Amino acid sequence: QLQLQESGPGLLKPSETLSLTCNVSGDSINSGTNYWGWIRQPPGKGLEWIGSIYSTGTTFYKSSLKSRVIISADTSRNEFSLRLSSVTATDTAVYYCARRRLTSLVGAFDIWGQGTMVTVSS
Amino acid sequence: NFMLTQPHSVSESPGKTVTISCTRSSGIIASNYVQWYQQRPGRAPIIVIFEDKQRPSGVPDRFSGSIDRSSNSASLTISGLRTEDEADYYCQSYDATTVVFGGGTKLTVL
Repeated sequence: QLQLQESGPGLLKPSETLSLTCNVSGDSINSGTNYWGWIRQPPGKGLEWIGSIYSTGTTFYKSSLKSRVIISADTSRNEFSLRLSSVTATDTAVYYCARRRLTSLVGAFDIWGQGTMVTVSS
Repeated sequence: NFMLTQPHSVSESPGKTVTISCTRSSGIIASNYVQWYQQRPGRAPIIVIFEDKQRPSGVPDRFSGSIDRSSNSASLTISGLRTEDEADYYCQSYDATTVVFGGGTKLTVL
């Protein structure tokens, strides 16, 4: 059964770098049939796509976050990671990792992790 | 980049039908598939419609999706409303380099 699990620190200070990892079980991030993405949701607000990575290592980022975001993948561990630099309180959110389909359910995030809350506070 | 605009909230009575719209600001709605997600409090979103109008297995046929080229919008319709349908609903689409979510619609089943 495909599962995604986020992990990483839950509390950061302003100006620090957020680092989260998504471990994938039940599918290979190298399969070439999916993108792997990060989405966040500030408390009480809507979903915001952060970026995605493909099996080739190609990445796509939301334009407003592009200067601070790096998404990378470790195929040996079957996991992908998010780094968001220079965080502020506005980066406080639940962060989800998710699989985005390229074939069948084209374009859809069909499997999501449970989400991890990240708080930025001094 | 484009935006997807949804009504902030809708409400309807049990047994009735409700439609939630999702309007694309630029580009053609039909050029990229639209998905719809349901999110209950404290839970991750789950997909209820993919590729404009397809239902994943396990999603009841009370849920349906459509697109309207004339208004450049997509719609999610839920018929025979049940109290368990009360949730936030998000549309989502994409282009070659970007993924966009709508702002979300809170559905209240009175």
